[in-house]
Amino acid sequence: GESVGLHLPTLSVQEGDNSIINCAYSNSASDYFIWYKQESGKGPQFIIDIRSNMDKRQGQRVTVLLNKTVKHLSLQIAATQPGDSAVYFCAENLITGNQFYFGTGTSLTVIP
Amino acid sequence: ETGVTQSPTHLIKTRGQQVTLRCSSQSGHNTVSWYQQALGQGPQFIFQYYREEENGRGNFPPRFSGLQFPNYSSELNVNALELDDSALYLCASSVGQGGLSPLHFGNGTRLTVT
Repeated sequence: GESVGLHLPTLSVQEGDNSIINCAYSNSASDYFIWYKQESGKGPQFIIDIRSNMDKRQGQRVTVLLNKTVKHLSLQIAATQPGDSAVYFCAENLITGNQFYFGTGTSLTVIP
Repeated sequence: ETGVTQSPTHLIKTRGQQVTLRCSSQSGHNTVSWYQQALGQGPQFIFQYYREEENGRGNFPPRFSGLQFPNYSSELNVNALELDDSALYLCASSVGQGGLSPLHFGNGTRLTVT
């Protein structure tokens, strides 16, 4: 079956620095990708999504990059803040599919 | 706009018992998906309900079953509980079937099976 993996399980950054969280996916047919943030004791919170017809999408302080050639997804967080500390998951799906496949997650810690 | 709400927040059950978890979807959303999240892992798809019918199922045994009601709320039922069923159960609502729109999650029900 499909698998979504992350290159680094943990990431520590200084407050104010930029963060980059990476994700590798295995299904070349996946055409819809989402980044989620999960804080302790809460459910995953939608951050940003991107469809396979795009290479880049920007939101407020976040940018998602999609490289379909190497099946790689990244989330960039600008000017990282303590409130960004959480576990980040990437998820993939087929637009025609009904289930999202999640990676194990990357734990981001922001050092004040 | 009301988000996804789940009840109860925590539950402790004994092996062999049955449990029902409940979910109210976000207003305007007609699809509900259930995911199981083991500690330190990403969520795993259990099943999805659309128009009150199961619309896809992950690799979970038949003792995991569900319902969706006309108001789009949903229940997850697990029979013959096993120790490995201990996990965070997440409900997510979305618009339409398939992967057309993002999932919006509730805060989950933490189930402990002893």
